[in-house]
Amino acid sequence: LAKTTQPISMDSYEGQEVNITCSHNNIATNDYITWYQQFPSQGPRFIIQGYKTKVTNEVASLFIPADRKSSTLSLPRVSLSDTAVYYCLVGDDSSASKIIFGSGTRLSIRP
Amino acid sequence: KAGVTQTPRYLIKTRGQQVTLSCSPISGHRSVSWYQQTPGQGLQFLFEYFSETQRNKGNFPGRFSGRQFSNSRSEMNVSTLELGDSALYLCASSEGLAGETQYFGPGTRLLVL
Repeated sequence: LAKTTQPISMDSYEGQEVNITCSHNNIATNDYITWYQQFPSQGPRFIIQGYKTKVTNEVASLFIPADRKSSTLSLPRVSLSDTAVYYCLVGDDSSASKIIFGSGTRLSIRP
Repeated sequence: KAGVTQTPRYLIKTRGQQVTLSCSPISGHRSVSWYQQTPGQGLQFLFEYFSETQRNKGNFPGRFSGRQFSNSRSEMNVSTLELGDSALYLCASSEGLAGETQYFGPGTRLLVL
């Protein structure tokens, strides 16, 4: 199972772009990279998923280098409501049992 | 579409009791997974169901059990509750086989006294 490493916490200010990097050195060929956001006492919310290069949706962008050993979640112009824990997951789509939620990155946005 | 719903949202039990939690997946979703989240252990996988069959089970004692019905709704049961079972229990659903792209419910907060 591919394990991920993320910073424990990050701080930023409203209106800034935030980049959270995740390391996954043992990523397998079939693995996708997925990011979730979780607010206190709520279930995680799917943000974005990618396999390689760059993926963008209305919420975030995901940058994946050619070797796929890391990925970067980019949140443009953050607001206070982006304060949450962000999880990077690596795995294939065959089973939830293969998905490991690490400690996540606690992002704090200040006014 | 309505999201994943879980009932009850909050629950207080005492040691030795049992509890049943319910999860209704998003309409059309056939896969339901359960997770336990605690401050110390984070999010841990409990079970995964697809078309009424348990496909995988996490590393939890036999006191934790679950099932899925023909309408994809799922229940999990914890018998002989222990203080350490206090946690947020999350249910997630997906269209096909579960993977990363899951949709989580709000969770059931269980407190064992």
